[in-house]
Amino acid sequence: ETGVTQSPTHLIKTRGQQVTLRCSSQSGHNTVSWYQQALGQGPQFIFQYYREEENGRGNFPPRFSGLQFPNYSSELNVNALELDDSALYLCASRKLAGGLNEQFFGPGTRLTVL
Amino acid sequence: RKEVEQDPGPFNVPEGATVAFNCTYSNSASQSFFWYRQDCRKEPKLLMSVYSSGNEDGRFTAQLNRASQYISLLIRDSKLSDSATYLCVVPEYNFNKFYFGSGTKLNVKP
Repeated sequence: ETGVTQSPTHLIKTRGQQVTLRCSSQSGHNTVSWYQQALGQGPQFIFQYYREEENGRGNFPPRFSGLQFPNYSSELNVNALELDDSALYLCASRKLAGGLNEQFFGPGTRLTVL
Repeated sequence: RKEVEQDPGPFNVPEGATVAFNCTYSNSASQSFFWYRQDCRKEPKLLMSVYSSGNEDGRFTAQLNRASQYISLLIRDSKLSDSATYLCVVPEYNFNKFYFGSGTKLNVKP
């Protein structure tokens, strides 16, 4: 196991609602990235947090936002949910330091928007 | 053009076969690359990192061709347990974004 945990495991919401997903990073890791994975597709990079600041963002609208806390855990918030937001949401943590930059993933949160 | 492109497959091979996947990338500034495997409805798991010309780990060999901007993954002596989707990952040079390919599905048959 990677030591990265996510909650909840599954979630069902309706269009227009808001959702918050949570991620606890692996011990010793200070950087968290979030991904959206639609069925049959590769993960799409949403954003990355380091030292509580967003330092990288993919092509997602502003209604996707996040937070990182002093203990390096993180939240992903999605406002005004749309049907196309239904996907597996993955977080990955890594240690930002010279060297490997290898990411380790949590088990994901499966979001269904009705 | 997509940042990372992979042949979606599926590749259907018998046990013991050797199989190779290719992944092409568009950003010539990218310095390191990763292969992940993903089982159905599970999270991606790191398989190999590629930082120079290549890397080998047991039955798995990853090679990097910077001039042609592609990375390959070779699996020798395929096992049933190798059946999975293999994802190619290309970070931006500063590691502030990560681009995944859509994955290549491998089915190893008895």
